[in-house]
Amino acid sequence: AQSVTQLDSQVPVFEEAPVELRCNYSSSVSVYLFWYVQYPNQGLQLLLKYLSGSTLVKGINGFEAEFNKSQTSFHLRKPSVHISDTAEYFCAVGGGSYIPTFGRGTSLIVHP
Amino acid sequence: DTAVSQTPKYLVTQMGNDKSIKCEQNLGHDTMYWYKQDSKKFLKIMFSYNNKELIINETVPNRFSPKSPDKAHLNLHINSLELGDSAVYFCASSQDGGGDGTQYFGPGTRLLVL
Repeated sequence: AQSVTQLDSQVPVFEEAPVELRCNYSSSVSVYLFWYVQYPNQGLQLLLKYLSGSTLVKGINGFEAEFNKSQTSFHLRKPSVHISDTAEYFCAVGGGSYIPTFGRGTSLIVHP
Repeated sequence: DTAVSQTPKYLVTQMGNDKSIKCEQNLGHDTMYWYKQDSKKFLKIMFSYNNKELIINETVPNRFSPKSPDKAHLNLHINSLELGDSAVYFCASSQDGGGDGTQYFGPGTRLLVL
């Protein structure tokens, strides 16, 4: 069984400030981890993914995430956010024969 | 070319009607999915389907049925629509058998039941 917990439902932040969106997972097997972004009135698109290897993963739009196996976490970070980063962010665990499991989403709200 | 497309984009209908949403992917993927996203943005998987197996989320009412005419299409048919069916429905696809599970989503169909 797999599960994903996104600890914050909403994260407000000022433009050019750093941000961290938190994600914790549980799984009985090795996992692949994903972050997806959903801009208003659009479908989800992949930001980045961890499959294996380096625990620091870089994605599109300046985002990165760090896989921490001991803490079962996969937090998403960006050093300086823009207004255009305002969106819903979903953490997911899955891969292989497992249907991906999504977290409940974190709404990132960037204020000018 | 759009990788995963859905039609219609918006659907407004009366309670009790039957409707279908179409999905097509041109990525050559083996597996397709349907998700329901509620007003709080929670994504709930409804179905996962490849040419071998249909996996149904047991919480999905049997008024919902996936229909796949071929590998590139997975349509969603809904009978006797209810007010609670109002939501955004997303189709997605992924490569099975060695893929890493990355999903590619369509733009969504916004269903409003009156």
